[in-house]
Amino acid sequence: GAVVSQHPSWVICKSGTSVKIECRSLDFQATTMFWYRQFPKQSLMLMATSNEGSKATYEQGVEKDKFLINHASLTLSTLTVTSAHPEDSSFYICSVRPTDTQYFGPGTRLTVL
Amino acid sequence: DQQVKQNSPSLSVQEGRISILNCDYTNSMFDYFLWYKKYPAEGPTFLISISSIKDKNEDGRFTVFLNKSAKHLSLHIVPSQPGDSAVYFCAAKGGSNYKLTFGKGTLLTVNP
Repeated sequence: GAVVSQHPSWVICKSGTSVKIECRSLDFQATTMFWYRQFPKQSLMLMATSNEGSKATYEQGVEKDKFLINHASLTLSTLTVTSAHPEDSSFYICSVRPTDTQYFGPGTRLTVL
Repeated sequence: DQQVKQNSPSLSVQEGRISILNCDYTNSMFDYFLWYKKYPAEGPTFLISISSIKDKNEDGRFTVFLNKSAKHLSLHIVPSQPGDSAVYFCAAKGGSNYKLTFGKGTLLTVNP
Protein backbone atom coordinates (compact mmCIF):
# COMPACT_ATOMS: atom_id res chain seq x y z
CA GLY A 1 0.00 0.00 0.00
CA ALA A 2 0.87 3.62 0.47
CA VAL A 3 0.73 5.88 3.49
CA VAL A 4 -0.94 9.24 3.10
CA SER A 5 -1.32 12.00 5.68
CA GLN A 6 -3.47 15.10 5.69
CA HIS A 7 -3.31 18.29 7.70
CA PRO A 8 -5.32 19.59 9.36
CA SER A 9 -7.72 16.81 10.29
CA TRP A 10 -10.43 19.34 10.91
CA VAL A 11 -10.86 23.07 10.47
CA ILE A 12 -13.58 25.60 11.25
CA CYS A 13 -13.48 28.93 9.47
CA LYS A 14 -15.62 31.96 8.86
CA SER A 15 -17.40 32.51 5.60
CA GLY A 16 -15.23 34.39 3.12
CA THR A 17 -11.89 33.14 4.40
CA SER A 18 -9.52 30.77 2.65
CA VAL A 19 -8.42 27.40 3.98
CA LYS A 20 -5.43 25.34 2.92
CA ILE A 21 -5.37 21.55 3.26
CA GLU A 22 -2.14 19.60 2.88
CA CYS A 23 -1.80 16.07 1.57
CA ARG A 24 1.47 14.21 1.96
CA SER A 25 2.54 10.91 0.44
CA LEU A 26 4.83 9.49 3.12
CA ASP A 27 6.32 6.43 1.42
CA PHE A 28 5.68 6.91 -2.27
CA GLN A 29 6.73 9.56 -4.74
CA ALA A 30 3.46 10.62 -6.23
CA THR A 31 3.49 12.42 -9.55
CA THR A 32 -0.28 12.39 -9.32
CA MET A 33 -2.55 12.87 -6.33
CA PHE A 34 -6.32 12.95 -6.22
CA TRP A 35 -8.70 15.16 -4.27
CA TYR A 36 -12.13 13.89 -3.32
CA ARG A 37 -15.03 15.39 -1.45
CA GLN A 38 -17.70 13.57 0.50
CA PHE A 39 -20.93 15.16 1.69
CA PRO A 40 -22.84 13.47 4.53
CA LYS A 41 -24.33 10.13 3.55
CA GLN A 42 -23.07 10.55 0.01
CA SER A 43 -20.44 8.89 -2.07
CA LEU A 44 -16.89 10.08 -2.60
CA MET A 45 -16.69 12.38 -5.59
CA LEU A 46 -13.46 13.13 -7.40
CA MET A 47 -12.86 16.87 -7.53
CA ALA A 48 -9.51 17.11 -9.25
CA THR A 49 -6.29 15.36 -10.17
CA SER A 50 -3.17 17.06 -8.93
CA ASN A 51 -0.13 16.76 -11.22
CA GLU A 52 3.37 17.40 -9.93
CA GLY A 53 4.90 20.39 -11.67
CA SER A 54 1.89 21.18 -13.82
CA LYS A 55 -1.70 22.30 -13.66
CA ALA A 56 -4.35 20.26 -11.96
CA THR A 57 -7.15 18.62 -13.92
CA TYR A 58 -10.60 19.45 -12.56
CA GLU A 59 -13.73 17.38 -12.86
CA GLN A 60 -16.80 18.84 -14.48
CA GLY A 61 -18.62 21.24 -12.22
CA VAL A 62 -15.66 21.93 -9.92
CA GLU A 63 -14.57 25.57 -9.94
CA LYS A 64 -10.82 25.71 -10.46
CA ASP A 65 -10.62 29.29 -9.23
CA LYS A 66 -12.31 28.34 -5.99
CA PHE A 67 -10.40 25.14 -5.31
CA LEU A 68 -6.76 25.94 -5.94
CA ILE A 69 -4.42 22.97 -6.16
CA ASN A 70 -0.66 23.09 -5.95
CA HIS A 71 1.55 20.02 -6.36
CA ALA A 72 5.03 21.42 -5.91
CA SER A 73 6.83 18.21 -4.97
CA LEU A 74 6.46 14.45 -5.34
CA THR A 75 5.24 14.17 -1.76
CA LEU A 76 3.04 17.21 -1.22
CA SER A 77 -0.17 18.49 -2.76
CA THR A 78 -2.24 21.31 -1.30
CA LEU A 79 -5.88 22.21 -1.80
CA THR A 80 -6.90 25.77 -0.98
CA VAL A 81 -10.58 26.52 -0.65
CA THR A 82 -10.80 30.21 -1.45
CA SER A 83 -13.55 32.48 -0.12
CA ALA A 84 -15.16 29.54 1.59
CA HIS A 85 -18.91 29.46 2.08
CA PRO A 86 -21.11 27.19 4.22
CA GLU A 87 -21.94 25.04 1.19
CA ASP A 88 -18.23 24.17 0.96
CA SER A 89 -18.47 22.42 4.32
CA SER A 90 -17.54 18.84 3.59
CA PHE A 91 -15.04 16.07 4.16
CA TYR A 92 -12.05 16.45 1.85
CA ILE A 93 -9.87 13.41 1.18
CA CYS A 94 -6.77 12.96 -0.94
CA SER A 95 -5.33 9.80 -2.39
CA VAL A 96 -2.32 8.44 -4.24
CA ARG A 97 -2.15 5.65 -6.79
CA PRO A 98 1.07 3.59 -6.71
CA THR A 99 -0.70 0.79 -8.62
CA ASP A 100 -4.27 0.33 -9.89
CA THR A 101 -5.33 0.74 -6.27
CA GLN A 102 -5.76 4.18 -4.73
CA TYR A 103 -4.81 4.73 -1.11
CA PHE A 104 -6.48 7.47 0.83
CA GLY A 105 -5.49 9.91 3.50
CA PRO A 106 -7.44 10.28 6.74
CA GLY A 107 -9.45 13.23 5.44
CA THR A 108 -10.04 16.82 6.54
CA ARG A 109 -13.37 17.95 7.91
CA LEU A 110 -14.07 21.55 6.84
CA THR A 111 -16.83 23.49 8.52
CA VAL A 112 -17.57 26.97 7.23
CA LEU A 113 -19.64 29.14 9.55
CA ASP B 1 -26.51 8.58 -13.89
CA GLN B 2 -25.06 6.35 -11.22
CA GLN B 3 -22.62 3.91 -12.78
CA VAL B 4 -21.87 2.06 -9.54
CA LYS B 5 -24.81 1.18 -7.34
CA GLN B 6 -24.99 -0.19 -3.85
CA ASN B 7 -28.69 -0.68 -3.40
CA SER B 8 -28.62 -1.61 0.26
CA PRO B 9 -27.88 1.42 2.41
CA SER B 10 -27.48 -0.76 5.47
CA LEU B 11 -26.99 -4.36 6.57
CA SER B 12 -27.09 -5.89 10.03
CA VAL B 13 -25.44 -9.24 10.78
CA GLN B 14 -24.71 -11.35 13.85
CA GLU B 15 -21.13 -11.84 14.92
CA GLY B 16 -19.69 -15.01 13.44
CA ARG B 17 -22.10 -15.09 10.52
CA ILE B 18 -21.42 -14.18 6.90
CA SER B 19 -21.83 -10.61 5.67
CA ILE B 20 -22.62 -10.19 1.98
CA LEU B 21 -22.39 -6.73 0.48
CA ASN B 22 -23.56 -6.23 -3.08
CA CYS B 23 -22.61 -3.85 -5.85
CA ASP B 24 -23.92 -3.43 -9.40
CA TYR B 25 -22.38 -1.45 -12.24
CA THR B 26 -23.59 -0.29 -15.60
CA ASN B 27 -20.43 0.74 -17.44
CA SER B 28 -19.12 -2.21 -19.46
CA MET B 29 -15.73 -0.47 -19.73
CA PHE B 30 -15.05 -1.04 -16.04
CA ASP B 31 -12.40 -3.72 -15.64
CA TYR B 32 -11.06 -3.27 -12.12
CA PHE B 33 -13.09 -3.22 -8.95
CA LEU B 34 -12.23 -2.36 -5.38
CA TRP B 35 -13.82 -2.47 -1.96
CA TYR B 36 -13.02 0.10 0.70
CA LYS B 37 -14.01 0.25 4.34
CA LYS B 38 -14.65 3.60 5.95
CA TYR B 39 -15.17 4.69 9.53
CA PRO B 40 -16.79 8.07 10.28
CA ALA B 41 -14.42 11.02 9.91
CA GLU B 42 -11.67 8.82 8.47
CA GLY B 43 -10.42 8.15 4.97
CA PRO B 44 -11.38 4.92 3.18
CA THR B 45 -9.17 1.91 3.80
CA PHE B 46 -8.49 -0.44 0.90
CA LEU B 47 -9.76 -3.97 1.54
CA ILE B 48 -9.63 -6.05 -1.60
CA SER B 49 -9.78 -5.73 -5.36
CA ILE B 50 -10.51 -7.85 -8.39
CA SER B 51 -9.64 -7.60 -12.04
CA SER B 52 -12.23 -8.45 -14.68
CA ILE B 53 -10.12 -11.40 -15.84
CA LYS B 54 -10.98 -13.14 -12.56
CA ASP B 55 -14.25 -14.10 -10.98
CA LYS B 56 -13.03 -14.49 -7.41
CA ASN B 57 -10.36 -13.07 -5.18
CA GLU B 58 -9.80 -14.04 -1.59
CA ASP B 59 -7.81 -12.43 1.22
CA GLY B 60 -8.29 -13.85 4.67
CA ARG B 61 -11.87 -13.33 5.80
CA PHE B 62 -12.67 -11.25 2.71
CA THR B 63 -13.70 -12.67 -0.64
CA VAL B 64 -14.87 -10.70 -3.65
CA PHE B 65 -16.91 -12.35 -6.39
CA LEU B 66 -17.38 -10.85 -9.84
CA ASN B 67 -20.13 -11.78 -12.26
CA LYS B 68 -19.33 -9.89 -15.45
CA SER B 69 -22.38 -11.01 -17.38
CA ALA B 70 -24.62 -9.66 -14.64
CA LYS B 71 -22.36 -6.66 -13.98
CA HIS B 72 -22.47 -7.55 -10.34
CA LEU B 73 -19.92 -8.00 -7.60
CA SER B 74 -20.18 -8.93 -3.98
CA LEU B 75 -17.98 -8.83 -0.92
CA HIS B 76 -18.23 -11.71 1.54
CA ILE B 77 -16.90 -11.37 5.06
CA VAL B 78 -16.63 -14.62 7.00
CA PRO B 79 -16.79 -14.74 9.93
CA SER B 80 -18.09 -11.26 10.63
CA GLN B 81 -16.68 -9.44 13.64
CA PRO B 82 -17.94 -6.36 15.51
CA GLY B 83 -14.85 -4.48 14.33
CA ASP B 84 -16.08 -4.92 10.77
CA SER B 85 -18.88 -2.46 11.48
CA ALA B 86 -18.29 0.42 9.06
CA VAL B 87 -19.44 1.80 5.73
CA TYR B 88 -18.27 -0.26 2.78
CA PHE B 89 -17.77 1.38 -0.60
CA CYS B 90 -17.58 -0.39 -3.91
CA ALA B 91 -15.47 1.38 -6.57
CA ALA B 92 -14.65 0.72 -10.21
CA LYS B 93 -12.30 1.92 -12.91
CA GLY B 94 -11.88 1.20 -16.57
CA GLY B 95 -8.78 0.62 -18.72
CA SER B 96 -6.11 3.28 -18.49
CA ASN B 97 -8.56 5.68 -16.91
CA TYR B 98 -7.34 6.16 -13.34
CA LYS B 99 -10.60 7.70 -12.18
CA LEU B 100 -12.48 5.69 -9.55
CA THR B 101 -16.25 5.73 -9.54
CA PHE B 102 -17.73 5.00 -6.14
CA GLY B 103 -21.05 3.64 -5.00
CA LYS B 104 -22.93 5.34 -2.19
CA GLY B 105 -21.84 2.80 0.37
CA THR B 106 -23.46 0.24 2.63
CA LEU B 107 -23.40 0.60 6.40
CA LEU B 108 -22.57 -2.78 7.91
CA THR B 109 -23.38 -3.37 11.56
CA VAL B 110 -22.09 -6.57 13.15
CA ASN B 111 -23.87 -7.28 16.40
CA PRO B 112 -22.07 -9.13 19.21
